[in-house]
Amino acid sequence: DAGVTQSPTHLIKTRGQQVTLRCSPKSGHDTVSWYQQALGQGPQFIFQYYEEEERQRGNFPDRFSGHQFPNYSSELNVNALLLGDSALYLCASSFGGTGANVLTFGAGSRLTVL
Amino acid sequence: GENVEQHPSTLSVQEGDSAVIKCTYSDSASNYFPWYKQELGKRPQLIIDIRSNVGEKKDQRIAVTLNKTAKHFSLHITETQPEDSAVYFCAAPLNFGNEKLTFGTGTRLTIIP
Repeated sequence: DAGVTQSPTHLIKTRGQQVTLRCSPKSGHDTVSWYQQALGQGPQFIFQYYEEEERQRGNFPDRFSGHQFPNYSSELNVNALLLGDSALYLCASSFGGTGANVLTFGAGSRLTVL
Repeated sequence: GENVEQHPSTLSVQEGDSAVIKCTYSDSASNYFPWYKQELGKRPQLIIDIRSNVGEKKDQRIAVTLNKTAKHFSLHITETQPEDSAVYFCAAPLNFGNEKLTFGTGTRLTIIP
């Protein structure tokens, strides 16, 4: 079992650019949540996808969007990047229903915006 | 508002001593309380969790206690070892029925050999 895999592991962008991050959930999981973790902070919830739809959303602007595919993998897109978007982006998978909040995290994608 | 408060932000204990980290939450309907350990440069890993129908859960040197009346829960690590050094996060699902977890701000635990 490969667990939760994310790509890329590191990337550098400039302000105004767009970025796409990818996540493959743990085998048997059908729900994907995305979190932003700034340096020295706890993870902040961005949104959660289940059955290819956004089920919950945190306090993030519309520049943050996502998608879930039929194979349960997911993408996080961020448009018009700001310096403040620099962070570790964590994908977490879980099994839907009552277990949706028992999360298994990926190693993250570290985004640096210059 | 929705929040999970975690204390202390940093904690240093002698190897072999016990460590306690406390969290309070705002939503009395919250029903699931996990603790995650994050080593430097690594992913958060679930180390123990508790549901609202029990008051305590133990797994070897780690235990979690829950006081629903006071809306707080605590992580207890006994006989600490150097490999326990990490940042620990508590979390809770705020707004009942909402599967998103809200995380605390973390506690940096340092075990002094």
